[in-house]
Amino acid sequence: DAGITQSPRHKVTETGTPVTLRCHQTENHRYMYWYRQDPGHGLRLIHYSYGVKDTDKGEVSDGYSVSRSKTEDFLLTLESATSSQTSVYFCAISLGTSGIVETQYFGPGTRLLVL
Amino acid sequence: GDSVTQMEGPVTLSEEAFLTINCTYTATGYPSLFWYVQYPGEGLQLLLKATKADDKGSNKGFEATYRKETTSFHLEKGSVQVSDSAVYFCALNDQGGSEKLVFGKGTKLTVNP
Repeated sequence: DAGITQSPRHKVTETGTPVTLRCHQTENHRYMYWYRQDPGHGLRLIHYSYGVKDTDKGEVSDGYSVSRSKTEDFLLTLESATSSQTSVYFCAISLGTSGIVETQYFGPGTRLLVL
Repeated sequence: GDSVTQMEGPVTLSEEAFLTINCTYTATGYPSLFWYVQYPGEGLQLLLKATKADDKGSNKGFEATYRKETTSFHLEKGSVQVSDSAVYFCALNDQGGSEKLVFGKGTKLTVNP
């Protein structure tokens, strides 16, 4: 199994509060991703990173920001949590070798409830 | 933009039944195609993939063939087991340089003994 951990695994928070989710990898993979999973929508990409300090938006990036100051860590911040951000959040990594389509490996997920 | 359409679930089968989960795609380039599986309470894991037309991906008794003419990548297994109960996601990756995956909505499979 790829060495990916997510923290916290479960969180309950209140509307309007900031929340930070952490993804940590021990694989030294170049690419890291944040997805959210919601019933009827599958997985949707929020943000991704292609290197330290290099990030880009996915299809559902509004209300989220990310940071990657080290290869192994990718942080997702909900600037002011809303009930619509209640979801299961998955981090993924891929090696990122140029010109090769590679497998993404997923973390165990973080279940977030915004009250 | 690129998209993936999966058959709606849930799908309920008896053990040893034949499984087909349909997946079709829309893409501007020449995508690679993937099937991921998610067991209860876990993250997704790659089941199989195919990177070019007519390729067949296979793993754990599951198979899928990349059909460019019908833009399809249907997942099949000849004899399902209770342990195959999970959610299955079809996905594509645009070989034009993007490292991003586009997922279908998922199909939940339940196999009864």
